[in-house]
Amino acid sequence: DADVTQTPRNRITKTGKRIMLECSQTKGHDRMYWYRQDPGLGLRLIYYSFDVKDINKGEISDGYSVSRQAQAKFSLSLESAIPNQTALYFCATSEASGRYNEQFFGPGTRLTVL
Amino acid sequence: SQKIEQNSEALNIQEGKTATLTCNYTNYSPAYLQWYRQDPGRGPVFLLLIRENEKEKRKERLKVTFDTTLKQSLFHITASQPADSATYLCALRTGTASKLTFGTGTRLQVTL
Repeated sequence: DADVTQTPRNRITKTGKRIMLECSQTKGHDRMYWYRQDPGLGLRLIYYSFDVKDINKGEISDGYSVSRQAQAKFSLSLESAIPNQTALYFCATSEASGRYNEQFFGPGTRLTVL
Repeated sequence: SQKIEQNSEALNIQEGKTATLTCNYTNYSPAYLQWYRQDPGRGPVFLLLIRENEKEKRKERLKVTFDTTLKQSLFHITASQPADSATYLCALRTGTASKLTFGTGTRLQVTL
């Protein structure tokens, strides 16, 4: 089974709709992240959480909100989706103090906003 | 302004040759730099980390160098194979622990 899972994998929605993307992990990591990836812009950090009570904005948090329901679950919401939020969204996790501090990514959610 | 630059043009090389990818950065003083591999439609996968006080790291056919004076990291794949074809991302630790800033990636295509 995958260590970091994301649902849904693909979603097409309309402008103005509320959308929630979910991320679950079985790695036991405290730290979780949400990124979006756009062609030519790379991965950009939306929000990150270092534990259940700690939520922080990344570089592009406007238009997004998050919820850390448990150590293993971190959800990203688009309150009112707009077309320029069409992108590939990734959730990632990391240990608080690992040897390499690497991040482990989920398979991604492809979101299209019409 | 802060920038992380990777060659946006794809790198095409022949099987068996050494591929060299570049990551340049400005206005950062990263504690470490990481390289990730990303296949189409998948999330990035961690390959290597090199710290600011290290010049070179190796792992099997992979070698990474880090020059904090030039603000540059080079990523080498020796004896490249078609299976090495992917996009390679560099990432710098910037700010608080484990928070990363990624480059846009360079696509490598290894042909027979």
